[in-house]
Amino acid sequence: GENVEQHPSTLSVQEGDSAVIKCTYSDSASNYFPWYKQELGKRPQLIIDIRSNVGEKKDQRIAVTLNKTAKHFSLHITETQPEDSAVYFCAASKSGNTPLVFGKGTRLSVIA
Amino acid sequence: DTAVSQTPKYLVTQMGNDKSIKCEQNLGHDTMYWYKQDSKKFLKIMFSYNNKELIINETVPNRFSPKSPDKAHLNLHINSLELGDSAVYFCASSQVKGQAFFGQGTRLTVV
Repeated sequence: GENVEQHPSTLSVQEGDSAVIKCTYSDSASNYFPWYKQELGKRPQLIIDIRSNVGEKKDQRIAVTLNKTAKHFSLHITETQPEDSAVYFCAASKSGNTPLVFGKGTRLSVIA
Repeated sequence: DTAVSQTPKYLVTQMGNDKSIKCEQNLGHDTMYWYKQDSKKFLKIMFSYNNKELIINETVPNRFSPKSPDKAHLNLHINSLELGDSAVYFCASSQVKGQAFFGQGTRLTVV
């Protein structure tokens, strides 16, 4: 089955700097790659997603890139703010209703 | 107007007891899931249901039994609770090729 590796497990950045989180997946049939943000005590919430027919997607300060050949995808957050502090999860799934397989999460701390 | 709601939010119980967690979604999604989030925050799929039919049952002890009375509800019943069952359990739903929406989670503590 699918296996998703995520790095780093923790990341500290100064406010205003950029943060990059990287994930690799094992199943070349996976074609949907969402990123979720989970604040302390809250539910995971989708922040951005990308499908395999697209190489890059951007939404304001957040961007995701996908390299299908290398089977890796990355989350980029620019101009980080303290409210970006949370645990971020990457995930992958195949078409249909196959469930998301999550990476182990990255705890991002933005220091003011 | 909550999209995916689960109850209870907190559950504290003794070893050996049986408990249930309820989940409901009002999004009209065909697929519902149960995920377990352990103390290290790892989110692991337990079950996947599509239109009330069990699609995926990951390696989960058979003390855990999901029940889907209709496609808007997916409940989780746990028999003979063990200390290692302590975790946060998340219900989620999605449409085909769509994003997954999560419930607020149920923090289960077995003492």
